Amino acid sequence: AQSVAQPEDQVNVAEGNPLTVKCTYSVSGNPYLFWYVQYPNRGLQFLLKYITGDNLVKGSYGFEAEFNKSQTSFHLKKPSALVSDSALYFCAVRDPYAYNYGQNFVFGPGTRLSVLP
Amino acid sequence: DAGVTQSPTHLIKTRGQQVTLRCSPKSGHDTVSWYQQALGQGPQFIFQYYEEEERQRGNFPDRFSGHQFPNYSSELNVNALLLGDSALYLCASSSSGQSQETQYFGPGTRLLVL
Repeated sequence: AQSVAQPEDQVNVAEGNPLTVKCTYSVSGNPYLFWYVQYPNRGLQFLLKYITGDNLVKGSYGFEAEFNKSQTSFHLKKPSALVSDSALYFCAVRDPYAYNYGQNFVFGPGTRLSVLP
Repeated sequence: DAGVTQSPTHLIKTRGQQVTLRCSPKSGHDTVSWYQQALGQGPQFIFQYYEEEERQRGNFPDRFSGHQFPNYSSELNVNALLLGDSALYLCASSSSGQSQETQYFGPGTRLLVL
């Protein structure tokens, strides 16, 4: 079965400092991994995804994530945080093999990022 | 280019009633998925529609049903509403429903069951 863990409910970082939001996953095969961001009273906005290839994936708004197969992790990073990055961040996994048998995205519980001015 | 749109934005119902939520996918997309996001939790997959058929289904009871129209828009129907159905319902669209495709989400419909 697929599962996603986001071990931190809340991450606080000062503006201008680097930020990391952690994600670990469990799938039976090779995963497809996604990051989404949710602002208050809004839907989810796509940031980036890993399908195959280079382990470092670059996405929207200066975010990037590193796929680490041995640690089954896909941490989201940004070199310099902005106050406007404050939001709820979700990691999601999809097992492409299980997808063919009816299983779609599994989302983590979310991590609330607060960037302090 | 219009993104994913959903209606209504908010809805209040009472227990036992039925509700219909609507979704129009992003231009060029033919696959629609529905998710339920309870307060403080991540979205949970309800089902996916492609070519007007339910192709995938998550762990939700039969009270949750859907439909996809020839123009790719979709409806989510929930019968016999329970208090626990109160949540944000998100629609997501993608192109062809391939497993590597990104799903783009709408703003959601917030349902409150009293």
